[in-house]
Amino acid sequence: EPEVTQTPSHQVTQMGQEVILRCVPISNHLYFYWYRQILGQKVEFLVSFYNNEISEKSEIFDDQFSVERPDGSNFTLKIRSTKLEDSAMYFCASRMGAPGTGELFFGEGSRLTVL
Amino acid sequence: SQKIEQNSEALNIQEGKTATLTCNYTNYSPAYLQWYRQDPGRGPVFLLLIRENEKEKRKERLKVTFDTTLKQSLFHITASQPADSATYLCALPDMGRRALTFGSGTRLQVQP
Repeated sequence: EPEVTQTPSHQVTQMGQEVILRCVPISNHLYFYWYRQILGQKVEFLVSFYNNEISEKSEIFDDQFSVERPDGSNFTLKIRSTKLEDSAMYFCASRMGAPGTGELFFGEGSRLTVL
Repeated sequence: SQKIEQNSEALNIQEGKTATLTCNYTNYSPAYLQWYRQDPGRGPVFLLLIRENEKEKRKERLKVTFDTTLKQSLFHITASQPADSATYLCALPDMGRRALTFGSGTRLQVQP
């Protein structure tokens, strides 16, 4: 069964360093998302991406964050200068059709630990 | 913005019983609502989608209801099994946004 894959599964970094989290969405999907989940808290929306541009972003997704789809398969989240409070599980998700037409497929997440 | 309320207390039930989880939302009524399952350290997995014009949706042992008057969705698991133990998340689009907003989830523990 097709799945969303994410790398790395766990990354430890020093505060102030840049981090890139990678995702390979399901191949025929058109809508891509990043969510994050701080330990013990709820899954929070960061950004959605469609047709090679950001379609929506939350208040969390500030100038420190950026997303890119550098080729036909990868979807990346970059955090420019990590802060302690960026420590969380980051989930990539994809969807085939427009929002409201079906399910979001999530990856297994990338755990980011900022020291 | 939309506030989604799920019971933060864990729900403990005996195997074979029906589990009922509640999702309440404030403010505007969404066009649809979804339920997901999340196991510890893993990504959410889609279970069911119900639209505002549907009162009830079923899939195997799962049933979801959607009451737009009460602004509430109920999620039922019948004949529950220990393997159903997980956190169940309610998700819906926030006002003016198409991306899903998730509730904090309710942890279900099914005792053998």
